[in-house]
Amino acid sequence: EPEVTQTPSHQVTQMGQEVILRCVPISNHLYFYWYRQILGQKVEFLVSFYNNEISEKSEIFDDQFSVERPDGSNFTLKIRSTKLEDSAMYFCASTRTGINQPQHFGDGTRLSIL
Amino acid sequence: TQLLEQSPQFLSIQEGENLTVYCNSSSVFSSLQWYRQEPGEGPVLLVTVVTGGEVKKLKRLTFQFGDARKDSSLHITAAQPGDTGLYLCAGARGAQKLVFGQGTRLTINP
Repeated sequence: EPEVTQTPSHQVTQMGQEVILRCVPISNHLYFYWYRQILGQKVEFLVSFYNNEISEKSEIFDDQFSVERPDGSNFTLKIRSTKLEDSAMYFCASTRTGINQPQHFGDGTRLSIL
Repeated sequence: TQLLEQSPQFLSIQEGENLTVYCNSSSVFSSLQWYRQEPGEGPVLLVTVVTGGEVKKLKRLTFQFGDARKDSSLHITAAQPGDTGLYLCAGARGAQKLVFGQGTRLTINP
């Protein structure tokens, strides 16, 4: 069964450094999402992306964050200057049509900021 | 702000018992999804409910979407140790973001 894949599984970065998290959504999916989950807390929405542009973003998704779909398969989340509070699990999700279709999640990247 | 409240947050029962997990909101959702999440992994989809009053069954798991599409429940019959895990409900409005509940951590004791 097709799945969403994320790399790396674990990223350790010094505070202030840039980090890029990578995702390969399911191949015929058109809507892409990033979520994060701080340890012990809810899964929180960051951003949704459709037709090569951001369709919605949360308050968390400030100027330090950006997303890109550089080619036909990858979907990336960049954090420009990481902060300690960016430490979390980051999940990528995708869905085919968006409307009432389930979102399928990758296994996440654990980001640890030192 | 859309919120989904799940209850209970923790539930520990004996094998063979029945249980129900609730997911409630004051907001209307166009669909509601239930996921199960294992430690260190992403949420895995169990079911999507779309129509108010809809009931879906997945073996011993029964999911119901409230008539007003503001709430949902997950009922497990004759729980087994393999049902142990974190269960998440998440509401969606159209193609927009999912709003997650805080999860129910279920433990089934042999």
